[in-house]
Amino acid sequence: KAGVTQTPRYLIKTRGQQVTLSCSPISGHRSVSWYQQTPGQGLQFLFEYFSETQRNKGNFPGRFSGRQFSNSRSEMNVSTLELGDSALYLCASNPAGEGNIQYFGAGTRLSVL
Amino acid sequence: DAKTTQPTSMDCAEGRAANLPCNHSTISGNEYVYWYRQIHSQGPQYIIHGLKNNETNEMASLIITEDRKSSTLILPHATLRDTAVYYCIVRPYGGATNKLIFGTGTLLAVQP
Repeated sequence: KAGVTQTPRYLIKTRGQQVTLSCSPISGHRSVSWYQQTPGQGLQFLFEYFSETQRNKGNFPGRFSGRQFSNSRSEMNVSTLELGDSALYLCASNPAGEGNIQYFGAGTRLSVL
Repeated sequence: DAKTTQPTSMDCAEGRAANLPCNHSTISGNEYVYWYRQIHSQGPQYIIHGLKNNETNEMASLIITEDRKSSTLILPHATLRDTAVYYCIVRPYGGATNKLIFGTGTLLAVQP
């Protein structure tokens, strides 16, 4: 079974631009969560989607948004990029009935110049 | 979700058991203990979870004290590939969200 796939793996953007990151969960998983990891703040929860609906959101500004499609694939978007948005963005999927066990992708490393 | 406390770093000799402690003195009755690890530049990886009984799988063993205020993750024969940051997370099993709250974790360095 294929794991969680995140694309692209690396991305370089400049301040003010916007970016879209993609996540394909493990087949059959309907829940997708996004996390941001920085050296200063560690791993922080961004948001979670289940059956195309956002059901939980972390403490991030409105520039961070996401969505989930009917095939459970998810995208997250960051508008008006700031230098502080440079981070590793991780996606995790979770199967129903496995009690919050998250399966993480390798992440997308975003650098904002 | 209950707060956890872990040592910042630990060393272990290759081939020896690695014992990683976690304090969770405010754990609630419905909260489980989950362990994840993150090898450098990779996504976190689930290891094991438990409620009150000791648990073992192919990766590790989890020992939870009788009062459930602390636990220990045991890697029985550590290898260099076990060098990683280990996170102890306490949260309810199931529920309306899969959100995980990560602390700072323990950096385990396995020495040759």
